[in-house]
Amino acid sequence: QSALTQPASVSGSPGQSITISCTGANGDIGRYNFVSWYQQHPGKAPKLLIYNVNSRPSGISDRFSGSKSGNTASLAVSGLRAEDEADYYCVSYTGTNTWVFGGGTKLTVL
Amino acid sequence: EVQLVESGGDLVQPGGSLILSCAVSGFTFDDYDMHWVRQSLGKGLEWVSVIGATFDTYYADSVKGRFTVSRKNAKKTLYLHMNNLKAGDTAVYYCVKDLEGALESWGQGTLVTVSS
Repeated sequence: QSALTQPASVSGSPGQSITISCTGANGDIGRYNFVSWYQQHPGKAPKLLIYNVNSRPSGISDRFSGSKSGNTASLAVSGLRAEDEADYYCVSYTGTNTWVFGGGTKLTVL
Repeated sequence: EVQLVESGGDLVQPGGSLILSCAVSGFTFDDYDMHWVRQSLGKGLEWVSVIGATFDTYYADSVKGRFTVSRKNAKKTLYLHMNNLKAGDTAVYYCVKDLEGALESWGQGTLVTVSS
């Protein structure tokens, strides 16, 4: 159950687009499409943004999108806004009825 | 509206035990897998456990043999029984509703502190 690898931080200016990567192994991201992404503001519970690699729950802005290639999943955020500044986490199913998180990425809107 | 309300967090000594509860409303509890996820203060998130709608249970290696997840559908309540607690178990514990293998809806969390 090794943690997925995310960059510690990313940044962008309002209106710009950014991408956060999440790298796993063949046993998790590489094998299953059960990759999800979460946004967490300070002092708040995480919020589901993307599930099954690229599906958005009801109410989530289409500025957020997900993709996967091989062992790496990505979250793209377009049209950056101040309120997007938060921590972002990826999660993957591992195939042994367990899940694994990435270490988290702090997004700073400059 | 889906609501999940955790309770039971407390200060406990190393080696001690604690039971967390999560009362849910706004959805058919019986039909969904439910997870526990924890977050050490200022740190990242860690998946802890899942209990299926058919009562099958699975755990992270870090808690296997010490934690037990259960549910009482009639009470719409999820539980996490924690034994032999260690300092590394200190965290906010979240109760989470599953959606197709993703962590859809989260409670507000309950703080467990393991310290002498």
